[in-house]
Amino acid sequence: AQTVTQSQPEMSVQEAETVTLSCTYDTSESDYYLFWYKQPPSRQMILVIRQEAYKQQNATENRFSVNFQKAAKSFSLKISDSQLGDAAMYFCAYRGGTNAGKSTFGDGTTLTVKP
Amino acid sequence: DVKVTQSSRYLVKRTGEKVFLECVQDMDHENMFWYRQDPGLGLRLIYFSYDVKMKEKGDIPEGYSVSREKKERFSLILESASTNQTSMYLCASIREGRGYLSTDTQYFGPGTRLTVL
Repeated sequence: AQTVTQSQPEMSVQEAETVTLSCTYDTSESDYYLFWYKQPPSRQMILVIRQEAYKQQNATENRFSVNFQKAAKSFSLKISDSQLGDAAMYFCAYRGGTNAGKSTFGDGTTLTVKP
Repeated sequence: DVKVTQSSRYLVKRTGEKVFLECVQDMDHENMFWYRQDPGLGLRLIYFSYDVKMKEKGDIPEGYSVSREKKERFSLILESASTNQTSMYLCASIREGRGYLSTDTQYFGPGTRLTVL
């Protein structure tokens, strides 16, 4: 079975600074996708960024980028120029196999942004 | 925009009551999911359904059942609610069904915070 580990239950960052959230996973599958989701307080969970395992290039979405290290099974999220609206719980998720959309989630990291 | 809605944001029930949580998506998605979210445990999959009247157990199905009579609606049923089922319940959907790995975005509902007294 696949597992996803987020070792940082809580993180904080100063507004306009950069922060990196860690995620490691364990799998024996060769084809899979990795995701970061954001869950703001009392709001719906939304997709931040996704990475296809077969792609060597790290995914980037505006201020959000990932550092994908396939051999190390590591998938960290970097948030640049942090904004107050980035404060949320962030979940790392793994999707593999043929049950489309079925994902395994990490325990989450709560990010606080200090003004 | 895809919209996934859940019938209640907050729900308080008594031990032993039968509880229905409903989820509706408006984009003709094939696959729907029920997750449970608890502090320090992330999201755990309870059940999912890749087609009408089809269902598969997730990681923690005990104490729950589901129903999918129409494509857009997926219900989670607690036959006899217990205090250890107090939690946040999230519904999600994705366009594609099963049979292959999908890169599609999974859309989530706002969640139902259920308290069982």
